[in-house]
Amino acid sequence: DTAVSQTPKYLVTQMGNDKSIKCEQNLGHDTMYWYKQDSKKFLKIMFSYNNKELIINETVPNRFSPKSPDKAHLNLHINSLELGDSAVYFCASSQDLWGAGGYTFGSGTRLTVV
Amino acid sequence: DQQVKQNSPSLSVQEGRISILNCDYTNSMFDYFLWYKKYPAEGPTFLISISSIKDKNEDGRFTVFLNKSAKHLSLHIVPSQPGDSAVYFCAASALGSGAGSYQLTFGKGTKLSVIP
Repeated sequence: DTAVSQTPKYLVTQMGNDKSIKCEQNLGHDTMYWYKQDSKKFLKIMFSYNNKELIINETVPNRFSPKSPDKAHLNLHINSLELGDSAVYFCASSQDLWGAGGYTFGSGTRLTVV
Repeated sequence: DQQVKQNSPSLSVQEGRISILNCDYTNSMFDYFLWYKKYPAEGPTFLISISSIKDKNEDGRFTVFLNKSAKHLSLHIVPSQPGDSAVYFCAASALGSGAGSYQLTFGKGTKLSVIP
């Protein structure tokens, strides 16, 4: 029974397209996140939501738009995809805003823009 | 600006010996530290954590040590097993509302290889 599931696992698309990545958690956690792991392997936060409210919005191009229809879901929509958007995107959740007890991560979505 | 640094990109250890993974941080607001383990094509999985009020936390074969004055933490794995081979990420958070709060800041990771 997957705790944090994200789909799709792999996504190959052309420059200029619009795509979405979906994330769902069944842990009853209040906070969800999107992290990006780039080619240098850094895991960097993009967004966080707490009970559907945006908490963190790091310096991310506004082509990236998160949407949280309820506290169990946090989707990521990307407009006008660019080559530099190629990365692995991880969704995560935590019990509270401070992540005490750790985050639970999904298995990642490898996005390749060609 | 790397606030969490793991200066060793890789480490090889014989099975049964001790693995020591190191992590340094610069943000003095960090007061909660975690280690994550990551296998290829999977998400990071939580391993062990420590808050700044402690200097040591143990969980089975895994022990994390925190030296606040040096802004340094380490993960010890004893004895190391081949299944421990993975990338280990150090992460930090601030439990208040200042810089570094409401998120985990990760290091770049150390790839551990345990040789049978």
